[in-house]
Order: sequence, then structure tokens, then C-alpha cells
Amino acid sequence: NAGVTQTPKFQVLKTGQSMTLQCAQDMNHNSMYWYRQDPGMGLRLIYYSASEGTTDKGEVPNGYNVSRLNKREFSLRLESAAPSQTSVYFCASSTRDRSYSNQPQHFGDGTRLSIL
Amino acid sequence: GDSVTQMEGPVTLSEEAFLTINCTYTATGYPSLFWYVQYPGEGLQLLLKATKADDKGSNKGFEATYRKETTSFHLEKGSVQVSDSAVYFCALSGPGYSTLTFGKGTMLLVSP
Repeated sequence: NAGVTQTPKFQVLKTGQSMTLQCAQDMNHNSMYWYRQDPGMGLRLIYYSASEGTTDKGEVPNGYNVSRLNKREFSLRLESAAPSQTSVYFCASSTRDRSYSNQPQHFGDGTRLSIL
Repeated sequence: GDSVTQMEGPVTLSEEAFLTINCTYTATGYPSLFWYVQYPGEGLQLLLKATKADDKGSNKGFEATYRKETTSFHLEKGSVQVSDSAVYFCALSGPGYSTLTFGKGTMLLVSP
């Protein structure tokens, strides 16, 4: 039972470098999400994909891009990393039940990203 | 917009003490409410949920009741253990929405 798998687990970048964070889920979920977690801020939604082929901005999308590669995979790209993007990034996925009520989100273990 | 407010931590308790972590929310319509737990170095795990008013979610000895009249979803446990030490997040999902709005989290520290 892999669930939601994120790679890499840790990464250090220099300011201005680019990087793609990978996320894959094996639960056949329709929706996928990217969050960042910062001390005292809780989790904030960066982007989400309600279904394959769609993506939407969340609360803090600036400086990020996403790609819903297929139903399983949802990647997050930092084109030009900045120290303010130092954070822990979490990917999550969810589905809806027959009444179209949202089911709970399942989270990966996170990517710890430091930008110097 | 939607928002969730949790009591600030850390909450420090001795083993077998009673736990309450307060959570109140602001939302339009009738949201679903969740408690998630995050152990050190791990992602978030669903602890319990409630989808309509007066529902009680429960799991692993934790309980929370969806109170529409007070817009609250307080987390309680009768007797905490050292292994309950973690960060607890209250969250809501609006009707028909797929996204979650999280509170800032409350750290719980339980000592033997």
C-alpha cells in the first residue's frame, strides 16, 4: 500500500535554480493537491487538480507551476527558486463518493526543500 | 472566505490527562469537518471526520462533535498517551468543494 509517494524527500537548492517535485498516487483518486507547510502557518494550498486534465490555483500559487501528467501523477515546478520558498511540501489526493461528497485527502510524507 | 481557528499550542499534558483542542470555523453552507494528525517527520493522517451537524467523529479514543450552532469541532480524548504527542490540524471542506482549509495546527506534548 504505497498511497501517495513524493520524491525527493530532501533537497537543497541555490537561489535561481529550478526543480520539479514529483508526486504519484496509486489509489485511483481523481483529485490531487500541492500544499506548503511553514511554521505557524499551517498548510496552505498552492495548486490543485480536481480531475485529470484540469489544474487550478490555490491560496499561494506565485512562483510555482504544476502539471497533471496523468491520473496518477501531479508535479510541482519551481522555475527560479527563492529563499521564501524554503518549506516542506506535501502532495495529497482524494476522491468523491457516489453522492459526490468529498472524501478525506491522503497525504504523502513530504519534501523538505531548502533554498540558499 | 472559509477559515479555521485553532487554539495555539503547545499543549503540554501528563499521561492519562484529559485533552481538549478547540477548533472553530467560518464557512458558507454546511462544510465537512476533519481532524488530521501529523507525527514528527511524517505527512498528515486523517484522525476523524464529520459531515453534518451533530455528527460525532471518533477514532483511537479521540472524539469531536460537529456543532453548527457554535460553529465548532473541538477535539477531545479522555486519557492521552505519550504516543499521542503530535501536531493536530482542524480542517474544513465546503459543500461541493474538493479543497481543504486548514487551521494553523496545535502541537500536543504528552509527558510520562
